[in-house]
Amino acid sequence: SQQGEEDPQALSIQEGENATMNCSYKTSINNLQWYRQNSGRGLVHLILIRSNEREKHSGRLRVTLDTSKKSSSLLITASRAADTASYFCATDGGSARQLTFGSGTQLTVLP
Amino acid sequence: DTAVSQTPKYLVTQMGNDKSIKCEQNLGHDTMYWYKQDSKKFLKIMFSYNNKELIINETVPNRFSPKSPDKAHLNLHINSLELGDSAVYFCASSQDWGDSTDTQYFGPGTRLTVL
Repeated sequence: SQQGEEDPQALSIQEGENATMNCSYKTSINNLQWYRQNSGRGLVHLILIRSNEREKHSGRLRVTLDTSKKSSSLLITASRAADTASYFCATDGGSARQLTFGSGTQLTVLP
Repeated sequence: DTAVSQTPKYLVTQMGNDKSIKCEQNLGHDTMYWYKQDSKKFLKIMFSYNNKELIINETVPNRFSPKSPDKAHLNLHINSLELGDSAVYFCASSQDWGDSTDTQYFGPGTRLTVL
């Protein structure tokens, strides 16, 4: 079964606004990663948060993790048109062996 | 320089044909992967190789056969293609096996269309 599920499936905002995407997962994890996929391209790693961390920042990205609710959120502040992409969370399902990806949130930032 | 490359980028073929997709990484990584992304963008692991050895085979039909001639290459051969094989196939690599904190580096994808 799918480990990570992103919400919403699609999000459309104006440039300069903040975008928040959520990810829920089913089993315990060691860490959770967020990836971005531009149209027609491969996935690019954005940020990793470990299970003992609650919040992490990287530039305009802020990731939170709530292991009690088995959920994570990705906040992109002051969005730009170039942020238009699909965003995926990936979990290791408690196993160090492989990542399981959700189906992503399609973010559209309108200029 | 391209880190993970795949060829071809597009592949259109008839049902029943056999085709191959090639993947190469120049990152010096030990682990390579094949993923399938369907039309709803759901990304699913197919295979994982570590140091040329198969580690993961996720209930993929045996029409799919990965081959790793060396650590830098992981090719995917598909026999008797079916309509349901149409998808985007991604190759990826990571430094090591067994460390889920490793970043995975993805290729640009191969869009396979089976007619």
